[in-house]
Amino acid sequence: DAGVTQSPTHLIKTRGQQVTLRCSPKSGHDTVSWYQQALGQGPQFIFQYYEEEERQRGNFPDRFSGHQFPNYSSELNVNALWLGDSALYLCASSNLITGDPTGELFFGEGSRLTVL
Amino acid sequence: AQSVTQLGSHVSVSEGALVLLRCNYSSSVPPYLFWYVQYPNQGLQLLLKYTSAATLVKGINGFEAEFKKSETSFHLTKPSAHMSDAAEYFCAVSLQAGTALIFGKGTTLSVSS
Repeated sequence: DAGVTQSPTHLIKTRGQQVTLRCSPKSGHDTVSWYQQALGQGPQFIFQYYEEEERQRGNFPDRFSGHQFPNYSSELNVNALWLGDSALYLCASSNLITGDPTGELFFGEGSRLTVL
Repeated sequence: AQSVTQLGSHVSVSEGALVLLRCNYSSSVPPYLFWYVQYPNQGLQLLLKYTSAATLVKGINGFEAEFKKSETSFHLTKPSAHMSDAAEYFCAVSLQAGTALIFGKGTTLSVSS
């Protein structure tokens, strides 16, 4: 059973550029959440997608946007990158309706973004 | 607003010693509580979760945590540390199942031989 997979694992961008990160949820999951983890910090919630719509959003600017596809996979897009966006971006999946009622999240290994 | 405080950013123990990682939360309603572990260059793995079924929760790898409402705490313990337990540990809370998790800043556990 494949878990949550993310790509790319590492990438380097320069300030002002745009980046797209991808996530495939665990088999049977329908909900995808994205978190940003800065060095030495806990993960911070960016947003959650369910049924191809943004269901919940954290305190992140509009430069951060996302998308969920019919196969439940998801993308995170960040525009106008600046140094402070350097972080590990974690994707997590869950089954909102028929799965674990606690909403347990399964995390991928993350995409490490470095902005120079 | 809900929040999580992990007391001690770094905890060091000897192999075989008791592990105690502290977590306090603030929440206006009974929360869902989680402990996750993160090994270097990896994602997060769930250790255990509290969902109001029982106050003492047993997780993987010999870890357990006790929910104490009066103290708003959910401390993580393990009777005997192993070298493989060295990692970063995160406490997290959510108010509703399936909603955003609020994480603490994490505690780095070091285990010496």
